Amino acid sequence: QQPVQSPQAVILREGEDAVINCSSSKALYSVHWYRQKHGEAPVFLMILLKGGEQKGHEKISASFNEKKQQSSLYLTASQLSYSGTYFCGTEMGEKEDGTASKLTFGTGTRLQVTL
Amino acid sequence: DTGVSQNPRHKITKRGQNVTFRCDPISEHNRLYWYRQTLGQGPEFLTYFQNEAQLEKSRLLSDRFSAERPKGSFSTLEIQRTEQGDSAMYLCASSSEIGRYTFGSGTRLTVV
Repeated sequence: QQPVQSPQAVILREGEDAVINCSSSKALYSVHWYRQKHGEAPVFLMILLKGGEQKGHEKISASFNEKKQQSSLYLTASQLSYSGTYFCGTEMGEKEDGTASKLTFGTGTRLQVTL
Repeated sequence: DTGVSQNPRHKITKRGQNVTFRCDPISEHNRLYWYRQTLGQGPEFLTYFQNEAQLEKSRLLSDRFSAERPKGSFSTLEIQRTEQGDSAMYLCASSSEIGRYTFGSGTRLTVV
């Protein structure tokens, strides 16, 4: 099932912070975050495995609460280059036969950073 | 690492015609995925391969859609008897592990 993201859209002034949430109705093995700019392919940001770890990438970080089946992406001191649509991708884990699973992408959060 | 390559970038076709798209993944990646994306929506899973084996197909993929990955290298996605509802961006991605997909630039299909 498709994970649900909130908010659907957010407008920030440069330097402001934002949080994007991703919720799943199923138990998750991992959560992945991608950013897509208009007319371009999604670009990988980070991956979080179950265990509740928090990862950072410059001023962008994320957490994963496997009990709540939720992940949050934190954007601090936003820059104009952060504008785009953010997608979480959820993955149930490798199958017992060792074959790969696949990502199911969320509904997307459109972020616009202005001057 | 030359990235994931998709061809063509754009395709305009008349309803009822067949179309074929090609994806060349990153050479060392054994996993290849096809997704479809419409405006304002997230990528929607279609099918994926591990090496040459097609492991899963979405229920959304009707009998008009078929994908192949001969010899576990490039992949093709064919749509037969195209319909206007098939108009979308078709994205290919590859990975060498679970997650961390590298996407191609996509093929934008317009059915008129």
